[in-house]
Amino acid sequence: SYELTQPQSVSVSPGQTASISCSGDKLGDRYVSWYLQKPGQAPVLVMYQDDKRPSGIPERFSGSNSGNTATLTIGGALAVDEADYYCQTWHGLSSSYVFGTGTKVTVL
Amino acid sequence: EVQLVESGGGLVKPGGSLRLSCAASGFTFRTYTMNWVRQAPGKGLEWVASITGTSSFIYYATSVKGRFTISRDNARESLDLQMDRLTDEDTALYFCVRSGSPVTPEDNNWFDPWGQGTLVAVS
Repeated sequence: SYELTQPQSVSVSPGQTASISCSGDKLGDRYVSWYLQKPGQAPVLVMYQDDKRPSGIPERFSGSNSGNTATLTIGGALAVDEADYYCQTWHGLSSSYVFGTGTKVTVL
Repeated sequence: EVQLVESGGGLVKPGGSLRLSCAASGFTFRTYTMNWVRQAPGKGLEWVASITGTSSFIYYATSVKGRFTISRDNARESLDLQMDRLTDEDTALYFCVRSGSPVTPEDNNWFDPWGQGTLVAVS
């Protein structure tokens, strides 16, 4: 089966840049999406097809994907960005979607 | 406004069955692949199953294959998940999720939006 590995936690000071990595074999050959989830809420899409921002998502969110690692970057993090973040891709060999292990982002 | 409203969750004994439903509105339901994603208490997201617009292609996670059946009724704009032979590992919040684009194949697609979920407890 295909696995996506994320750091368990990332801490960032307000106004600084947070980078969340997502690692998988030849991940750069696949499209990656990112979701944030706040406690008690449903996940929300923040990035799709590696680097496309849905409408309503602030410009401080950006994405990249190359080699074995995809990265979601929050430039100028705000307290409202505190959440769990998950990456996701499609694994063609098993015809299945895969989510990353999740990263808790703390802004303090 | 796109809305996805799940129902059917509840408490069930191990080995039992449950049927989840999702009522969709605000978009052309028959053109979108629909999905179920679950989240065990305190755990991460796990994709469960997907079904394309005309039900031509159906995909399951290995963990549920042979026990769960995803289906849809385009006339009623509803999505179902029949869950049989449930175990305590199936305890989770089950989200109904639309794929992001109606014309994009699975390998290029994404999940958006998500319903609020319905809770399944196997005990």
